[in-house]
Amino acid sequence: DSGVTQTPKHLITATGQRVTLRCSPRSGDLSVYWYQQSLDQGLQFLIQYYNGEERAKGNILERFSAQQFPDLHSELNLSSLELGDSALYFCASSVKLSYNEQFFGPGTRLTVL
Amino acid sequence: KNQVEQSPQSLIILEGKNCTLQCNYTVSPFSNLRWYKQDTGRGPVSLTIMTFSENTKSNGRYTATLDADTKQSSLHITASQLSDSASYICVAHFGNEKLTFGTGTRLTIIP
Repeated sequence: DSGVTQTPKHLITATGQRVTLRCSPRSGDLSVYWYQQSLDQGLQFLIQYYNGEERAKGNILERFSAQQFPDLHSELNLSSLELGDSALYFCASSVKLSYNEQFFGPGTRLTVL
Repeated sequence: KNQVEQSPQSLIILEGKNCTLQCNYTVSPFSNLRWYKQDTGRGPVSLTIMTFSENTKSNGRYTATLDADTKQSSLHITASQLSDSASYICVAHFGNEKLTFGTGTRLTIIP
């Protein structure tokens, strides 16, 4: 158990809908990262937050957005969902910045029908 | 372009045997290199992190090596066990807050 929690574990929705994925980092970790992993694909970095502020951006679509709240939990919002958005979404956290070890959560499996 | 390439793409070995996974990276400026183990459908788990000044690092039966001159890293697994069946991902950290992930090697251990 990494100490990072993600909810929900599974999510099934329809095209065009909007969903919110939630992540709670390990106690004391200030950075949160979001990743997307499509079937049989590698991890794709989406976005990083550090202590409430956006720190780095990867291949995140404009339909996706994220935020980190004062209690350091983070939410990833996915809107106007398409079939291709079906994937595992992982959250990771680290003490400070990305050169520190990252601890991954169990992931949220999103299925868009 | 910053890239991380892993080989082989997949590997099947008998339980108890050793194996070595390869990773070549072209990132600049290089900061550190990591190996993760990912069981199917689960989050990756860190095995080792090495900076450019470290040549080798071990974690139990896992030993990672790094050659910063040739930009190559390897992960050696000794006396493989069925529980070693997983994907192994090489990740290069470079510049400021940048990570590049390899697509992984899928390792299958058969009894």
